[in-house]
Amino acid sequence: EDKVVQSPLSLVVHEGDTVTLNCSYEVTNFRSLLWYKQEKKAPTFLFMLTSSGIEKKSGRLSSILDKKELFSILNITATQTGDSAVYLCAVGSLSWKQGTSYGKLTFGQGTILTVHP
Amino acid sequence: DVKVTQSSRYLVKRTGEKVFLECVQDMDHENMFWYRQDPGLGLRLIYFSYDVKMKEKGDIPEGYSVSREKKERFSLILESASTNQTSMYLCASSLAPGRGLSYEQYFGPGTRLTVT
Repeated sequence: EDKVVQSPLSLVVHEGDTVTLNCSYEVTNFRSLLWYKQEKKAPTFLFMLTSSGIEKKSGRLSSILDKKELFSILNITATQTGDSAVYLCAVGSLSWKQGTSYGKLTFGQGTILTVHP
Repeated sequence: DVKVTQSSRYLVKRTGEKVFLECVQDMDHENMFWYRQDPGLGLRLIYFSYDVKMKEKGDIPEGYSVSREKKERFSLILESASTNQTSMYLCASSLAPGRGLSYEQYFGPGTRLTVT
């Protein structure tokens, strides 16, 4: 059974702090790891990682994947109150049904990040 | 601009009622998914569809059914709503493998269903 585990489950920090969110996985037919940010609405896409050791960056957010140790981290530097959200890690895998392939995501529980002013 | 819409943001139903949740995407995506999201449990897959009229059970299909008569529309049906189906329901869509970033799913805004 595919499994994705995020830690910590919740985190409270002050503006300006740096945070690291963790995601470990056990998934067959691994293809990619995705990070999403969810405020009080639809999850929005942050990053997709497919190769080990290559950091992806977007502003103050960065992420890296280790396919040998089966984990990823999401870093947020100089946090702001607008970073308060649930951060979801999901692992994409390839599956087949009746001769048709499809991409499936298995999600972790999410990390609730609260940034205080 | 990619778009996934869901028929209701908030819904309150009584135990035993039949409930329909509708999802429409305008991106010509082959794959569509229904998840429920509960605190501490993350997103759990209920059903998905990789083609029109095709449907497959996800991890927690009990008490639910789905319908996909057109490519852009995927409906989730609660035949007889129960209180343990109170949850946030999220619809998502993605391209088929081989047509780009097929693992990236685009989500609708969610429907918060309360069953009393």
